[in-house]
Amino acid sequence: NAGVTQTPKFQVLKTGQSMTLQCAQDMNHEYMSWYRQDPGMGLRLIHYSVGAGITDQGEVPNGYNVSRSTTEDFPLRLLSAAPSQTSVYFCASSPVPGELFFGEGSRLTVL
Amino acid sequence: TQLLEQSPQFLSIQEGENLTVYCNSSSVFSSLQWYRQEPGEGPVLLVTVVTGGEVKKLKRLTFQFGDARKDSSLHITAAQPGDTGLYLCAPQPPNTGNQFYFGTGTSLTVIP
Repeated sequence: NAGVTQTPKFQVLKTGQSMTLQCAQDMNHEYMSWYRQDPGMGLRLIHYSVGAGITDQGEVPNGYNVSRSTTEDFPLRLLSAAPSQTSVYFCASSPVPGELFFGEGSRLTVL
Repeated sequence: TQLLEQSPQFLSIQEGENLTVYCNSSSVFSSLQWYRQEPGEGPVLLVTVVTGGEVKKLKRLTFQFGDARKDSSLHITAAQPGDTGLYLCAPQPPNTGNQFYFGTGTSLTVIP
């Protein structure tokens, strides 16, 4: 079972560049979310979606965009990367209610 | 954002010792989940507690939800090197669907 797949696993960007982190799940979960993990800060919720066509902001949404055109995919877009966005990003999906299934993470460095 | 505190932040113990980590808040939660995260991987669910005062056991791990549903603890008996990892609590505020807000975690190292 693939579960939650994130790509890329590693990425280096220059300040001002844009990019998309991809997330796909094959468990037919309605709920998907994006978190960022920084040292000493735990996991912070960026955006989440309760189903195709529906997205909402979490704790730290500024600088990020999301869309949910299908149940399977939930990409996270960085519009103009900043050094403060250097982090490890995790995508998660879940049945509602239920446990969160996480991907392996995408490590992003912004120079 | 809920004010959530996990303690201790770091813990290093010898194999065979017992330990307890805590997750505290001033807010009431609908439920609370505990996750363990190993380096380079995403968190994996250990347990979900829902009822105030609830105690759940998972082999050598014992989880307790506070009577008022504001806090939780995780006790590990006879820790083993395989228990090494970051332990995260994730309470769910009321009426928030499936949104979970994570604590900063307790980084546990068990020395053989």
